[in-house]
Amino acid sequence: AQSVTQPDIHITVSEGASLELRCNYSYGATPYLFWYVQSPGQGLQLLLKYFSGDTLVQGIKGFEAEFKRSQSSFNLRKPSVHWSDAAEYFCAVGNQAGTALIFGKGTTLSVSS
Amino acid sequence: DGGITQSPKYLFRKEGQNVTLSCEQNLNHDAMYWYRQDPGQGLRLIYYSQIVNDFQKGDIAEGYSVSREKKESFPLTVTSAQKNPTAFYLCASSGGGLAGAQETQYFGPGTRLLVL
Repeated sequence: AQSVTQPDIHITVSEGASLELRCNYSYGATPYLFWYVQSPGQGLQLLLKYFSGDTLVQGIKGFEAEFKRSQSSFNLRKPSVHWSDAAEYFCAVGNQAGTALIFGKGTTLSVSS
Repeated sequence: DGGITQSPKYLFRKEGQNVTLSCEQNLNHDAMYWYRQDPGQGLRLIYYSQIVNDFQKGDIAEGYSVSREKKESFPLTVTSAQKNPTAFYLCASSGGGLAGAQETQYFGPGTRLLVL
């Protein structure tokens, strides 16, 4: 069955430091991949998505992600983290039937000063 | 402003009671979705609808029901059969001819359901 794994439940990063959030997926064909961010008690906001083409994808708020087929990964990165980036981050993949998304369990990001 | 609205923000359910969560979108999207979010569990799909008057069960549909009589509305009823309804419920929609995998989903602000 398809699945998405986010190995890190909680990460703490110093403000101004770089960030990488890991995401691994299981899917036979070319996946449709997404990263969403959720502030406490709020809905989800799309950061970026990958459908095809260039494997390095740029998103909003200075985030980027790289699709690596050989590693079945779609890791999210940001060169310099701001305190406002503290939130929960979800990786998702389109399901094989093309009807819905399958989400990982999320990574909570804390930013220390 | 285009978007998705969910109401109420908080909802309280008594034992044996059915409650209905509202979801409305003015994005002219064909597809709509309901997810349940529990701490540490990510989002799990309850129901989805790709077009008016049609909907499909997701991974955790037991104890829930939906209707899709209008394109812009996709209400979710949490029935008394759902024994553990306390959770954060998120509604989403996506546009275009093919739902789900290829289309970006846009989310509402969520409804938190609590049991009295």
